[in-house]
Amino acid sequence: LAKTTQPISMDSYEGQEVNITCSHNNIATNDYITWYQQFPSQGPRFIIQGYKTKVTNEVASLFIPADRKSSTLSLPRVSLSDTAVYYCLVGVEGRGSTLGRLYFGRGTQLTVWP
Amino acid sequence: GAGVSQSPRYKVTKRGQDVALRCDPISGHVSLYWYRQALGQGPEFLTYFNYEAQQDKSGLPNDRFSAERPEGSISTLTIQRTEQRDSAMYRCASSLTSGDSYNEQFFGPGTRLTVL
Repeated sequence: LAKTTQPISMDSYEGQEVNITCSHNNIATNDYITWYQQFPSQGPRFIIQGYKTKVTNEVASLFIPADRKSSTLSLPRVSLSDTAVYYCLVGVEGRGSTLGRLYFGRGTQLTVWP
Repeated sequence: GAGVSQSPRYKVTKRGQDVALRCDPISGHVSLYWYRQALGQGPEFLTYFNYEAQQDKSGLPNDRFSAERPEGSISTLTIQRTEQRDSAMYRCASSLTSGDSYNEQFFGPGTRLTVL
């Protein structure tokens, strides 16, 4: 499984756009890139997944360059409630895969200040 | 509908005792996963099931840990002869396995296990 590297922590202010970059130099051809969010005292929650280029949903955008060795999670106009840990995961997950296990790293603690 | 539920939410036990942690997945979800999460760390995969079949138990730390899902719904994670190092948050997740869509995992609130 591809190892991921992301910043341990980030700070931002309300209303700003936050970009969290994850490095995954050893990503395999059939790997997907997935981001989960975890609030204190809760289990992780799926945010977004992509394979290449750009994916956008109502919560975030995911930018993946052509070489797929990194990805950037973009959170537009963050609020205090976006304070959480964000995990970048890489692996064969989804699209009917039965390799269901997820491998989390330490994630990025995002703190949003008023 | 109801999400993934786990019981008990908190469990305090003495070293050497056996504990059983229960997970009730989202109705209709085929896959069920167990993770363990230490403070300040991400969840660590333990094992998972498709229906009642245990697909992968490579993450179980040792033979004191076992899991079952006999009827393909509720699952129990059992830790025998608990040790202090077993203290952690144990999380369960489930997903609806389907052909084309991403099998997002839905996590439960977890069971906080403390071994004295």
